[in-house]
Order: sequence, then C-alpha cells, then structure tokens
Amino acid sequence: DAKTTQPTSMDCAEGRAANLPCNHSTISGNEYVYWYRQIHSQGPQYIIHGLKNNETNEMASLIITEDRKSSTLILPHATLRDTAVYYCIVRVADTGNQFYFGTGTSLTVIP
Amino acid sequence: SAVISQKPSRDICQRGTSLTIQCQVDSQVTMMFWYRQQPGQSLTLIATANQGSEATYESGFVIDKFPISRPNLTFSTLTVSNMSPEDSSIYLCSVGGQTNYGYTFGSGTRLTVV
Repeated sequence: DAKTTQPTSMDCAEGRAANLPCNHSTISGNEYVYWYRQIHSQGPQYIIHGLKNNETNEMASLIITEDRKSSTLILPHATLRDTAVYYCIVRVADTGNQFYFGTGTSLTVIP
Repeated sequence: SAVISQKPSRDICQRGTSLTIQCQVDSQVTMMFWYRQQPGQSLTLIATANQGSEATYESGFVIDKFPISRPNLTFSTLTVSNMSPEDSSIYLCSVGGQTNYGYTFGSGTRLTVV
C-alpha cells in the first residue's frame, strides 16, 4: 500500500472548519483514500473514504485532487469532541485487505 | 456496522505470564485483525485472524509470541505469551469485510506488564 504523509499536529478554533491535508504521491489507480480518527483511549473510528470523486457524509468531506496525489479531510464546524488523532490511509480496493496506519495528525480544537 | 466486545478492557500482569484477549462480534464478519498500539505510537498490525486456519502474521510478529485463534466468524482470541514490560501496549481487535467501507475497531485492551 502507498505511503502517506501528514502533518504531525494542527490546531483549529472551535466552530471553524478543520482542514487536514494528506499527501499520497505514490498512490496507485486501485487504491482508495480512507480517513480514520482516534479519540484518546478509544479504538479508531472510520470517517470517510473515496477513490477520485469528492465525498461527503454526516461527519466530514473528503476532497481528492485530480491527480490523486493528495487529499484534504474537512470537518466543517469543529467541536471540542473532534480533538483526536486523524489517520489518512491508502488501501487497495479489496474487502480482504488490511489497514496500515501511519503516524497521523493530532488535531486540537481550541475553545 | 458490527459491534465488538473486547475483554478484558485492561489488565496488569507479571512478566513471564500470558494473557488471552477475547474479541466477540455481534454478527458474522469475514475479516478479523489484531493490532498493537504502543504508548504514544500509532497502530501496528499484528496479524489477520483466519477462520479455520492459522493466522497470517505481519513481519516482526510470530505465532509463538502471539498465538491467535478464530474458531468461527464471530469470535477470536489473541494471546500475549511470556510477557515482558516491552509488551505493555493497547491491543485492538478490528473486523469488517462485507463492503469496501472502513473496518470497525474494538475499544482495546490496555495491558501493563510489571
């Protein structure tokens, strides 16, 4: 699976949009981009995934560049409960494949 | 999505002993995985638990140290054998596989070896 690069940490003011970038310049055509988050002392939680089109669900939006070499996770109105480590993972589109976690971005939402 | 019950939630163990962690899912799942998360670190995949056959281990992990069972499609165990303080970590079970959506994780077992 392709390697991803994320900033180590970010801050965001409560109520503002949090934009978390991820670089995956070696992504291949059959790899999806997945985002998970891990709130302290809990297991990781699936947020969203996409192949090449932008995606939106009740939690977040995922913007993937046209060349698919980078993506941005957007939390439109960050709350204190969104403080967590966010992981960007690229994975071959096969239901049997594992998820390999990188170091992630530690997002702190500031009151 | 599946609901996972992982037991125990935490334990403190003596070095040299073994601990078996259980992962129970409320529905049949195709894939089950075990992860380790060392203090302050990201998650590392230990192995894929295969139903009815031996687990598939990642590089750096061996069956003698981390034996895994998966007798059916809703249950798996991970044993941490002959523990040392370096095994102090959170161990997590993950399940999924019916769709291409993200997998579900248990809340983890926080293990401290003294």
